[in-house]
Amino acid sequence: GQNIDQPTEMTATEGAIVQINCTYQTSGFNGLFWYQQHAGEAPTFLSYNVLDGLEEKGRFSSFLSRSKGYSYLLLKELQMKDSASYLCAGMDSNYQLIWGAGTKLIIKP
Amino acid sequence: GAVVSQHPSWVICKSGTSVKIECRSLDFQATTMFWYRQFPKQSLMLMATSNEGSKATYEQGVEKDKFLINHASLTLSTLTVTSAHPEDSSFYICSARGTSGFSYEQYFGPGTRLTVT
Repeated sequence: GQNIDQPTEMTATEGAIVQINCTYQTSGFNGLFWYQQHAGEAPTFLSYNVLDGLEEKGRFSSFLSRSKGYSYLLLKELQMKDSASYLCAGMDSNYQLIWGAGTKLIIKP
Repeated sequence: GAVVSQHPSWVICKSGTSVKIECRSLDFQATTMFWYRQFPKQSLMLMATSNEGSKATYEQGVEKDKFLINHASLTLSTLTVTSAHPEDSSFYICSARGTSGFSYEQYFGPGTRLTVT
């Protein structure tokens, strides 16, 4: 079966760094997405990885290891506005997104 | 970036009535649109995938006669919740995938919050 696992909730301090992990099992693989979703709003695209390695985009970076079925999202210099849910989604061989349940990130001052 | 709109943003309706939600891609042509439902504190649940000009493909457990999807053009898809009941109250989100460029990314609409009384 297809499955995406990520922690339910994480807490971090403003200004710090946090890493949100995601493991995936999909039927075929066409990439790994990370989305941010603030409460009551639709998800917004953060990153897409299809090759192994680290993709850096400002304060956010995303890493992929296809051999391990593993990805992480790294958030640096955390700001209060980063408090949100972070959704990991794997794209299968049919180009369908398989969604994780999301990680609620709580930022404390 | 690509923009997807949804209308209405929120709607309250009485039990037994039908509600139509529109999803439009404003600046690109969307060959495929997706409809999701999200209950509070839960992840996105894909309801159906629709391709322009063809019948939607529904996920297991989603009643196609209750959730009518029409994808009549490359910029518009509609979801009609027929004979709505309180348990249909949820956040409905559409997303669209384009025909060119980075075609795998899904662009999400802002969502429609449906409350059935």
